[in-house]
Amino acid sequence: GAVVSQHPSRVICKSGTSVKIECRSLDFQATTMFWYRQFPKQSLMLMATSNEGSKATYEQGVEKDKFLINHASLTLSTLTVTSAHPEDSSFYICSARGLAARQETQYFGPGTRLLVL
Amino acid sequence: RKEVEQDPGPFNVPEGATVAFNCTYSNSASQSFFWYRQDCRKEPKLLMSVYSSGNEDGRFTAQLNRASQYISLLIRDSKLSDSATYLCVVKETSYDKVIFGPGTSLSVIP
Repeated sequence: GAVVSQHPSRVICKSGTSVKIECRSLDFQATTMFWYRQFPKQSLMLMATSNEGSKATYEQGVEKDKFLINHASLTLSTLTVTSAHPEDSSFYICSARGLAARQETQYFGPGTRLLVL
Repeated sequence: RKEVEQDPGPFNVPEGATVAFNCTYSNSASQSFFWYRQDCRKEPKLLMSVYSSGNEDGRFTAQLNRASQYISLLIRDSKLSDSATYLCVVKETSYDKVIFGPGTSLSVIP
């Protein structure tokens, strides 16, 4: 089946630094990628949807200047958490839908656990 | 009202038990429905899609009632490996909008 990878899997950083998370589709071309955030004991919350080559669409309440999303190619999307603060500590998960994947299914990456000290 | 709501849980059941999860959604125009499972500290994985006529996959049976905007998942003969959080997922009419329910935690006890 389709595989989506994320890097890094875990990151610890100081408050005020920026963190970049990569999401790659390994065996298919992802025209659309989604970024989710999950706080402990809560469900996944969609942050933004990005289509290759165009600007991401952010969900209400998600700051686009804080969470920079780039989807420059059909296999790579990045999420940059700028000037991270402790409240940004969360589990960030990307998912991808693409040309070779069943349209009704989203393939998830393994997630990136961010801890901001 | 939340877009997708689920039983609060947690459900603690003995091995071999039958357990049912319920889910309701608020947007009557929603198009597609799924159940995902999420193991602790892992990403969600698709368990099964939910079709209007109901569908079964081994020990798992999913039902959809569009009139009541209600989805269910039945697990028969539960195994220890079924312990996870089960997420009800609804796809909105807009092609890219997927809404996750808060999840219901299941613990199968020996």
